[in-house]
Amino acid sequence: GQQVMQIPQYQHVQEGEDFTTYCNSSTTLSNIQWYKQRPGGHPVFLIQLVKSGEVKKQKRLTFQFGEAKKNSSLHITATQTTDVGTYFCAGFSGTYKYIFGTGTRLKVLA
Amino acid sequence: GAGVSQSPSNKVTEKGKDVELRCDPISGHTALYWYRQSLGQGLEFLIYFQGNSAPDKSGLPSDRFSAERTGGSVSTLTIQRTQQEDSAVYLCASSSGPSYNSPLHFGNGTRLTVT
Repeated sequence: GQQVMQIPQYQHVQEGEDFTTYCNSSTTLSNIQWYKQRPGGHPVFLIQLVKSGEVKKQKRLTFQFGEAKKNSSLHITATQTTDVGTYFCAGFSGTYKYIFGTGTRLKVLA
Repeated sequence: GAGVSQSPSNKVTEKGKDVELRCDPISGHTALYWYRQSLGQGLEFLIYFQGNSAPDKSGLPSDRFSAERTGGSVSTLTIQRTQQEDSAVYLCASSSGPSYNSPLHFGNGTRLTVT
């Protein structure tokens, strides 16, 4: 079955440093979504990428969808303590259900 | 407007008992998903409902798990003869789907503890 892996599993950074998480699917995706889950909270939708090679930015966050539509990345510039949480990618492959990645837990040290 | 509502927020049950978890999706959302999240882990897909179509049950871990969605709105996830490994947070999400352009809106989850 379809699998979506994320690396790294954990990342500790000093406030102000950059952070990147990578998402890799075993199958080609129709689209990919990114979610953020704060400690004790539920996943909240951040963004969706659809086109091959697409790049989208939200303030300090940059999202990229690979040319082959099998991988994606989220890059945060100059992390802040408010960025703490777990970041999940979710791939949609046409079976009408989203398969979530394993997640990357980000801790920002002040 | 109201978001996805789940109840109860916490449930403690004894091993072997049955439990029912409820999800009220956002009004008008046709797609409804159940996921399970164990402590510190990712989201495990359980089941997906879309309108009046037959649900996608491919993620249910065993025949002790079942779910229904009445009238295309409220959904109930039932776990029979609970086991300790069933302890997790059960998350419900809805979307205006079935288009793949629809983001998922999650509820706050039900934390199930089986003792």
